[in-house]
Amino acid sequence: IQLTQSPSSLSASVGDRVTITCRASQGINNYLAWYQQNPGKAPKLLIYAASTLQSGVPSRFSGSGSGTDFTLTISSLQPEDFATYYCQQLNSYPSFGGGTKVEIK
Amino acid sequence: EVQLLESGGGLVQPGGSLRLSCAASGFTFTTSAMSWVRQAPGKGLEWVSTLTTDGTTYYEDSVKGRFTISRDNSKNTLYLQMNSLRAEDTAVYYCARTVPVGGTDFWGQGTLVTVSS
Repeated sequence: IQLTQSPSSLSASVGDRVTITCRASQGINNYLAWYQQNPGKAPKLLIYAASTLQSGVPSRFSGSGSGTDFTLTISSLQPEDFATYYCQQLNSYPSFGGGTKVEIK
Repeated sequence: EVQLLESGGGLVQPGGSLRLSCAASGFTFTTSAMSWVRQAPGKGLEWVSTLTTDGTTYYEDSVKGRFTISRDNSKNTLYLQMNSLRAEDTAVYYCARTVPVGGTDFWGQGTLVTVSS
């Protein structure tokens, strides 16, 4: 299953609302997770099952979607949120999207 | 505190072999599915392999037949035996716990594998 993330990068300011999309090549039964990765660090799980917030993750992060189209939203971007974000499907053999780099405007 | 500590990475020539290890602590290893995920320099994440609690193994197509995932529950350790290594296998390899539906919630710090002559 192929996952297409868009955009591949974006520039935003602190306080902005940011939306990242992930489209699957076929239905994945909402078995979708979102990760944040900072340079030189391991990924961090943010959202699983498309919309469930991982314990300890700030509530400004949210996930939505079903079937093949999914969205990660950051309601008010904070300085520590500038990072690269990946989606992952776990419906079949796992696969990741290509990533979205969120940069400071 | 959950810890996943990878070891065994390094420089290897094309066609060579390496065995990665991942020592787990702070969670119930024996009831956890475990995976290896890699990231080539400057590139995105790529799933490599998963080993479920019932012993079922899954591999990404490019490593099938060359890599073998295994575990020793008595040592809380996950392994990845990598044979016939290619330049395109160069990456940081992460050990991680995979929860069905729940994503990959625990990650190691990664170990770098460089395949070069």
